[in-house]
Amino acid sequence: SQKIEQNSEALNIQEGKTATLTCNYTNYSPAYLQWYRQDPGRGPVFLLLIRENEKEKRKERLKVTFDTTLKQSLFHITASQPADSATYLCALLMDSSYKLIFGSGTRLLVRP
Amino acid sequence: ETGVTQTPRHLVMGMTNKKSLKCEQHLGHNAMYWYKQSAKKPLELMFVYNFKEQTENNSVPSRFSPECPNSSHLFLHLHTLQPEDSALYLCASSLGLAGGPGTDTQYFGPGTRLTVL
Repeated sequence: SQKIEQNSEALNIQEGKTATLTCNYTNYSPAYLQWYRQDPGRGPVFLLLIRENEKEKRKERLKVTFDTTLKQSLFHITASQPADSATYLCALLMDSSYKLIFGSGTRLLVRP
Repeated sequence: ETGVTQTPRHLVMGMTNKKSLKCEQHLGHNAMYWYKQSAKKPLELMFVYNFKEQTENNSVPSRFSPECPNSSHLFLHLHTLQPEDSALYLCASSLGLAGGPGTDTQYFGPGTRLTVL
């Protein structure tokens, strides 16, 4: 069956460190992968999109990698801040589709 | 704010009630979506509308009935719900066909927290 896996355990790190979150998928061949941030009681907010032919994408302190061989995406936040504490969702988008398929998300806690 | 509003933000209803959730987007988008988010579960896509036409019904029970009168408004009509339907219901919008698949990022509203007693 098709599956997207994100670490269900919260990631707890010290302010200033780099946070790395993982998204693994099986039985999909996504053309695009997106990362969203969700705060408690609010809807997800789009952060980054990466295409299957891109290895890496950056935006300010954020970096996403996409390895279609390993079927994995890594999401990095450098110089993390307490304000980065939230749940981060990865979502796959198949070619010629508008149907986003979401992982369960990983909660990030950044300690001051 | 993302430009997508949802009302009400919280709703408590009995199993025999009929209620409606409303979503409005001010972004000029062409596609609108309903998602269900239950605790500890991934977001589940329920319905997709592209240019007011329903293009996806993800095997949603008939007690959920969507309505899209125009590209800015989306409703979810609820009737005879079950307690397991309690969840956060999220509306989203995107450019849709105009933006092209894959590049089509979605903008979410704040959600309606629904509790079915």
